[in-house]
Amino acid sequence: DGGITQSPKYLFRKEGQNVTLSCEQNLNHDAMYWYRQDPGQGLRLIYYSQIVNDFQKGDIAEGYSVSREKKESFPLTVTSAQKNPTAFYLCASSPLGTSGVPGEQYFGPGTRLTVT
Amino acid sequence: AQSVTQLDSQVPVFEEAPVELRCNYSSSVSVYLFWYVQYPNQGLQLLLKYLSGSTLVESINGFEAEFNKSQTSFHLRKPSVHISDTAEYFCAVCPRGSQGNLIFGKGTKLSVKP
Repeated sequence: DGGITQSPKYLFRKEGQNVTLSCEQNLNHDAMYWYRQDPGQGLRLIYYSQIVNDFQKGDIAEGYSVSREKKESFPLTVTSAQKNPTAFYLCASSPLGTSGVPGEQYFGPGTRLTVT
Repeated sequence: AQSVTQLDSQVPVFEEAPVELRCNYSSSVSVYLFWYVQYPNQGLQLLLKYLSGSTLVESINGFEAEFNKSQTSFHLRKPSVHISDTAEYFCAVCPRGSQGNLIFGKGTKLSVKP
């Protein structure tokens, strides 16, 4: 089955600890995205990557870091500098160029992070 | 810059009633328009999209949306809802010629009651 996997589904951490969220896709998509979802806030873009070894900040990148060493993987690290990290995190991917429709993204099931 | 406004944060309706979820957008350039649906504790799924051509687009499960350029709207409608339609619905735009990033509205929670 082709798709996007995120693990774990639920994650609990103590304040002050860094935590890495996993995102893997086997759709052969070039672009990958990380969003944060808070109740009543919609989705806000954290980071995105359109090619291996390159990524750009989204609207709320402070306190987060990413890497894109492989096309299929785009892990997100929530650092201790993120002031309010408790949220639902969604990863997405999208084909680029002639193989896809701009804006048509495929989402993983999400990771709910709770920091206490 | 672009922005998306979903006018209702929550819409409660009874089963088999019609529903309309409203979406307005603001953009200085042409955009592609999307509706995504999120069932509880899941990721988002594409429901329907407007790229060009006919301003009325339909999904496989009975939803439809109409692009109105003069009113910069893309409202989502269904003539008769089911309990299984209970979910959160997100309107989103993608500027034409851009890198493909989406700008989302804040979502509308549709609650269908028996």
